[in-house]
Amino acid sequence: KQEVTQIPAALSVPEGENLVLNCSFTDSAIYNLQWFRQDPGKGLTSLLLIQSSQREQTSGRLNASLDKSSGRSTLYIAASQPGDSATYLCAVYPYSGYSTLTFGKGTMLLVSP
Amino acid sequence: DAGVTQSPTHLIKTRGQQVTLRCSPKSGHDTVSWYQQALGQGPQFIFQYYEEEERQRGNFPDRFSGHQFPNYSSELNVNALLLGDSALYLCASSFASGGRAGELFFGEGSRLTVL
Repeated sequence: KQEVTQIPAALSVPEGENLVLNCSFTDSAIYNLQWFRQDPGKGLTSLLLIQSSQREQTSGRLNASLDKSSGRSTLYIAASQPGDSATYLCAVYPYSGYSTLTFGKGTMLLVSP
Repeated sequence: DAGVTQSPTHLIKTRGQQVTLRCSPKSGHDTVSWYQQALGQGPQFIFQYYEEEERQRGNFPDRFSGHQFPNYSSELNVNALLLGDSALYLCASSFASGGRAGELFFGEGSRLTVL
C-alpha cells in the first residue's frame, strides 16, 4: 500500500526566505506526482504536475523535483511571500490502474511579513 | 470555461440522516472521483466513476455510494451519517484519455458537519 509522508508538518518563515518542502513515498512505482496548495477551508489548487518522463517542473517562483528511485520529491519556493501561506499537499498517481491519488498530510506554511 | 463545481458548499446534518452531494466536472472531462478530507489530514480516495459505472473504490463502507449521469455529473450519497463523516468532500474530474490523461482537477469542496 502506497504511503506518502510530508516533512515538515508545519513551517514558519520570515518573508523573503527560500524554502524547501519534502515529500516521500514508499512505492517508487508511480506514474505522476502532483503538488497542490490548499487555503483554509478551500479546495485544492494544482501547483505543479511532474509527469512520468520528467524529473522536475517549474512555475514562477516554484520548482518541484522528482526522484522516483529514492521515492522523494521536493518543492522549492523562492523568495517567499505572505501570500504563500497555505497548506501544501503532495500526491502520487499509481503506475497502473486509474487516476486515484494518494496524498500526504501536507505541510502548513506560514510566511510572516 | 467553468472548472469543477460542487454543491452545496456547506451543510449540517444530524447523526443517522442521509446526505447527497453534487459535482459537475470540468468541461470535456468524463471521469469523476470523490475524496474525503478530515480536518488536518490529506484527502482520502472514496471512489471513481467512468461511463456511469463505479470503476474503482477506496476503503470506505457501503454507506458511501455514488452515481454518474450521462452528462458526466456525479452525486455522492452517504447514509446513516456518523459524527466521523464530518469532513470536506472533494470532487475531482479528469479525462479518461488524452495527452495529459488522468490529471485531476479539484472543486472547492462541500463541507459536511454531522451533529
